[in-house]
This record gives sequence, C-alpha cells and structure tokens, in this order.
Amino acid sequence: GAVVSQHPSRVICKSGTSVKIECRSLDFQATTMFWYRQFPKKSLMLMATSNEGSKATYEQGVEKDKFLINHASLTLSTLTVTSAHPEDSSFYICSAEEWGGSTGELFFGEGSRLTVL
Amino acid sequence: GQNIDQPTEMTATEGAIVQINCTYQTSGFNGLFWYQQHAGEAPTFLSYNVLDGLEEKGRFSSFLSRSKGYSYLLLKELQMKDSASYLCAVRDDSNYQLIWGAGTKLIIKP
Repeated sequence: GAVVSQHPSRVICKSGTSVKIECRSLDFQATTMFWYRQFPKKSLMLMATSNEGSKATYEQGVEKDKFLINHASLTLSTLTVTSAHPEDSSFYICSAEEWGGSTGELFFGEGSRLTVL
Repeated sequence: GQNIDQPTEMTATEGAIVQINCTYQTSGFNGLFWYQQHAGEAPTFLSYNVLDGLEEKGRFSSFLSRSKGYSYLLLKELQMKDSASYLCAVRDDSNYQLIWGAGTKLIIKP
C-alpha cells in the first residue's frame, strides 16, 4: 500500500522557537494532504487541508500565522509551528490522498509528538 | 449540522465478537471509513463503504445503511492486539472532507 512518511516522530523544543514537521508521500503523488492535531484520548481534529501549489485551507479556529503549511510539491507538505508555546504540545498527524485513487482512502504518516517546554 | 456518533468505550472478551456502531448526520455523503488507532500511533485503514451492505475482510466486516445513516464494524475472533480505538469517518461530498467520529476505545479482556 501507499506509504506516507512523517518526520520527526518526536521533537522537544523551548518555548518561543519554531518547529517544522515534514510529511512525504513516498510512492505516490498526493495532490491533497491533511494536517491533524490529536489531544490525548481524543479524536483527530482537522487543522488544515493542503493542496499542492496553492494556499492551505484552514479550519475555523486554527491560526494561519501560527501553523504555517507549505505544499510545494506533489510529495511533500510541511507544517511549521511558529513561536511554539506549551499549549501547542500535541500529537500532529498528516495524511495524504492518492491522486486518482479509487476509494479516496487516506494514508497516514506516523505522527509527530511535539513537546514544548 | 454535521455529526457522527459512536460509543466512547466498549469491552469484550478475547475470542468473542464485538460490534461497534456509528451513526451519522451529514449534509452530504460520499463514503464511510473505519480506521484503527493504537495509542500513540497514527490511524490505519480498515474499511470503506459507499454502497449499502456488508463488506467482509478477514476477521473484520463493515456494514452500511445510507437510508438510516448507520454503519457498524464487526470484529470476530477477538485478539488482544485488537485493543485500540476505532474511528468512524464520513466523507462529505459537498467539500470532500472527512468528518471524524470521536472514536470508540475497545478493551479486550482475556
């Protein structure tokens, strides 16, 4: 099956710094990638939809300037958490939809656990 | 409004059968997905239903009734490794986005 790689899997940073998380589709082209945030024992919360070559569409309540998303190619999307604070600590997951896929199945990255001190 | 309901938690015995229900109310419908998620890991795809009826895949089966806005995931011959959260998600055909349920935590006991 299709593989999505997310990096880094764990990151610890100081408050005020910025952190970049990469999401790559390894063996397929992903015109659309999704970024989620998940709190402990909670379901996935869609943050934004990232389309290759255009601006991301953010969900209500998600700060665009705080969570910068770039989708520069058909296989790479990045999420940058700018000026991170402890409340940004969470599990961030990306997913990608294969272009031309028959079921619309989403393929998920491994997730990135961010801890802001 | 958009709404997906599934039980918060269920407990079952190893070797038994369990059915996890999901009801949905969405403005549009273009398929229902079931995902399995172990703690600390990303979700993994289990099934996809777009037409009414039962889809069987090994020990797991998924059922859909579009007229009732209802689906269930059936797990047979339960194993301890099946302990996980099971997420129901509906694709809204108006914007093509997935709407996620809160997930059902399944606890398997020996």
